[in-house]
Amino acid sequence: AQKITQTQPGMFVQEKEAVTLDCTYDTSDQSYGLFWYKQPSSGEMIFLIYQGSYDEQNATEGRYSLNFQKARKSANLVISASQLGDSAMYFCAMREGQRGNKLVFGAGTILRVKS
Amino acid sequence: DAGVIQSPRHEVTEMGQEVTLRCKPISGHDYLFWYRQTMMRGLELLIYFNNNVPIDDSGMPEDRFSAKMPNASFSTLKIQPSEPRDSAVYFCASGDLTEAFFGQGTRLTVV
Repeated sequence: AQKITQTQPGMFVQEKEAVTLDCTYDTSDQSYGLFWYKQPSSGEMIFLIYQGSYDEQNATEGRYSLNFQKARKSANLVISASQLGDSAMYFCAMREGQRGNKLVFGAGTILRVKS
Repeated sequence: DAGVIQSPRHEVTEMGQEVTLRCKPISGHDYLFWYRQTMMRGLELLIYFNNNVPIDDSGMPEDRFSAKMPNASFSTLKIQPSEPRDSAVYFCASGDLTEAFFGQGTRLTVV
């Protein structure tokens, strides 16, 4: 069974608008963490943001925020004020505390920002 | 810290040859992960270590693949013998419970 599901293979957003990238996860652990990464066309994997399962506040890092809905098991990434440089592949990942903190990734969503 | 350092950045080898990929993690990180990325299969976790001890190698595709972490500052992923289907980008990542940073990756081509 998929642990991390990213249902949007591709997304378009107009420059300066906000965009939400979806991520749902499957775990029975109480202690887990959720990560988002950006992979531009150059290929590097850039760590964006982290949310722990016990964190009460949604994580934010600059223009990135994580919309964490624990009961729905979703951890959507919100990018505000999109820029052309945000065009990239975005991956959601999860570690499960009771499973040795193995870090597994979803299939990714390609985001294209239009000018 | 210079981040996670992988070498080589690119490797082209002939089928049947041994390939060794190297990784220097960020100092102080407890976890080290090896991933393989292909268009067909996405990002696959091959093996990971906690405090230099292998925890889960269930992602290692075959016995031709092996990984070691002899100390906290170095890890290797070895493929012997290599095959064309091993061609991929191999990433090493290091982290703790709240962050994980990737190296630049090694693009392996087996001809």
